[in-house]
Amino acid sequence: GDSVTQMEGPVTLSEEACLTINCTYTATGYPSLFWYVQYPGEGLQLLLKATKADDKGSNKGFEATYRKETTSFHLEKGSVQVSDSAVYFCALSDLAGGTSYGKLTFGQGTILTVHP
Amino acid sequence: DGGITQSPKYLFRKEGQNVTLSCEQNLNHDAMYWYRQDPGQGLRLIYYSQIVNDFQKGDIAEGYSVSREKKESFPLTVTSAQKNPTAFYLCASSRWRVENTEAFFGQGTRLTVV
Repeated sequence: GDSVTQMEGPVTLSEEACLTINCTYTATGYPSLFWYVQYPGEGLQLLLKATKADDKGSNKGFEATYRKETTSFHLEKGSVQVSDSAVYFCALSDLAGGTSYGKLTFGQGTILTVHP
Repeated sequence: DGGITQSPKYLFRKEGQNVTLSCEQNLNHDAMYWYRQDPGQGLRLIYYSQIVNDFQKGDIAEGYSVSREKKESFPLTVTSAQKNPTAFYLCASSRWRVENTEAFFGQGTRLTVV
């Protein structure tokens, strides 16, 4: 079945440092890929998405590129802020099974803490 | 404002009791979902529904039940058969099989067994 693997966490950075959170996936079809962010005590918000190979999703300074050859969708940001402290989830949705973009397979999440 | 409303935010249950978590959406989405979140395990799908009066089991449906009598509402019942119900529960909705769409999530309900 489909699966998503995220890098081990938590990640602790100083403000203005560079961020990379690795994400790799296994899917039988041609999935769409997502990064969601969860702030403390809240639900999930979509951060960015990519629906086909070589697409780059971007939002709020975060970027991720859909790499089919390496089955990866790594999240990057050049300069993190304290307000970026949250849990980040990589996820995929595979429409090949006749489902929809809401039926998601999630990675285990990566806790990011940014210190001033 | 369009969105998804989950209630209550916190819920406490005694051993052996059934409890029902509410989820309402005003986004006019066809599909709705329930996910369970445990520390270090990401989110796992419990049930989903693509249309009124129809729903399918997800990966961890045992000990849970749902209904979909209205398009806007998708309540989740955690039954006494669920062996470890303490978790954070998230409801989501989306359009069904529409390109370039996304899932929207509620703020979650934290259930604790006491």
